[in-house]
Amino acid sequence: LAKTTQPISMDSYEGQEVNITCSHNNIATNDYITWYQQFPSQGPRFIIQGYKTKVTNEVASLFIPADRKSSTLSLPRVSLSDTAVYYCLVGDRGTGRRALTFGSGTRLQVQP
Amino acid sequence: GAVVSQHPSWVICKSGTSVKIECRSLDFQATTMFWYRQFPKQSLMLMATSNEGSKATYEQGVEKDKFLINHASLTLSTLTVTSAHPEDSSFYICSARDGVRQGDGYTFGSGTRLTVV
Repeated sequence: LAKTTQPISMDSYEGQEVNITCSHNNIATNDYITWYQQFPSQGPRFIIQGYKTKVTNEVASLFIPADRKSSTLSLPRVSLSDTAVYYCLVGDRGTGRRALTFGSGTRLQVQP
Repeated sequence: GAVVSQHPSWVICKSGTSVKIECRSLDFQATTMFWYRQFPKQSLMLMATSNEGSKATYEQGVEKDKFLINHASLTLSTLTVTSAHPEDSSFYICSARDGVRQGDGYTFGSGTRLTVV
């Protein structure tokens, strides 16, 4: 499984756009990039998944350059409730038979 | 979307006793479920992979006789921490994937906070 590197922590203020970048230099051809969000004392929650270019849903956008060696999770206009740990994972899209491998994640702190 | 129900959400037990944690997929069948452990301020670490109708696969360093996993049906997996000790105190999380609604990624339970006193 491709290893990922992301910042340990980030700080932001309410209403700002937050971009969290993840490096995955040895991503494989069949690998997808998936981001999860985890609040304290809760299980992680799926945010977004992509393979290339840009993916957008009601929560976030995911930007993936052509070489796919990195990706950026973009959270528009964050609020206090977006304070959480964000994990970037790289692997197959998921048949459900192989576990996810979590890196250290990025701890996002949103200030008022 | 897919829902995984995990119980209990927290438990306090005495050292030497056993604790069972249940994980149910409510609206899909989960042939495979995963059990993770998370210590404070750390990331999730995979403990074992639970397969319906067969023996679980444990990660290196995880004692299979201490962490008993049973996956008797397509919607239920249980993790029993036997002879618990204070060092087993942690946050335990299960996960599974709905093979039909693939776009939703893996679904996680809400976690179980185990405190051994």
